[in-house]
Amino acid sequence: LAKTTQPISMDSYEGQEVNITCSHNNIATNDYITWYQQFPSQGPRFIIQGYKTKVTNEVASLFIPADRKSSTLSLPRVSLSDTAVYYCLVGGDSGSARQLTFGSGTQLTVLP
Amino acid sequence: DTAVSQTPKYLVTQMGNDKSIKCEQNLGHDTMYWYKQDSKKFLKIMFSYNNKELIINETVPNRFSPKSPDKAHLNLHINSLELGDSAVYFCASSQGTQALYGYTFGSGTRLTVV
Repeated sequence: LAKTTQPISMDSYEGQEVNITCSHNNIATNDYITWYQQFPSQGPRFIIQGYKTKVTNEVASLFIPADRKSSTLSLPRVSLSDTAVYYCLVGGDSGSARQLTFGSGTQLTVLP
Repeated sequence: DTAVSQTPKYLVTQMGNDKSIKCEQNLGHDTMYWYKQDSKKFLKIMFSYNNKELIINETVPNRFSPKSPDKAHLNLHINSLELGDSAVYFCASSQGTQALYGYTFGSGTRLTVV
């Protein structure tokens, strides 16, 4: 199973770079890695997705090593508004329920 | 315009009652989902519909019955509510059944059973 493991929580200060790592040792060949962000009282929101190497958008970067058994979400210079739960999701065809379960995510708290 | 909208946002009801949550998406997506989020933020799939056809039905009590009248709507009816049903329920949609396309979530329905 492509189960994911993330730290339960992380603290950071404003202006710092934050890296959240997700382990997915049993990732399948056709699986993509997607990160979501969830604020209180809202649904998860798509942040970034990748298959291998590095992907960057206006919000974050995603680093995926060659073996793809882990991935790291990098948030540059976080602000208080980046306080949220971050989920790593690994999957290909969402006809499989196991690939649609998000787990408990990482609570990131940004301190002033 | 809200892409995925759920109603109601809050629902407080007594044990044994029957309630429904409605979901609508205006993204033109063909796949819709119901998720349950517990107090520890664990987000678990319950049901998935693709073009009105049920494709995922996880280990959920049969008191929960989803209905998809068309591709843009997915409702969730819950019979004989129990205390353990208290949670936040999220509706989501995607284009196709591939995780590649990403999921768009509604803002959730907080169900409290007393």
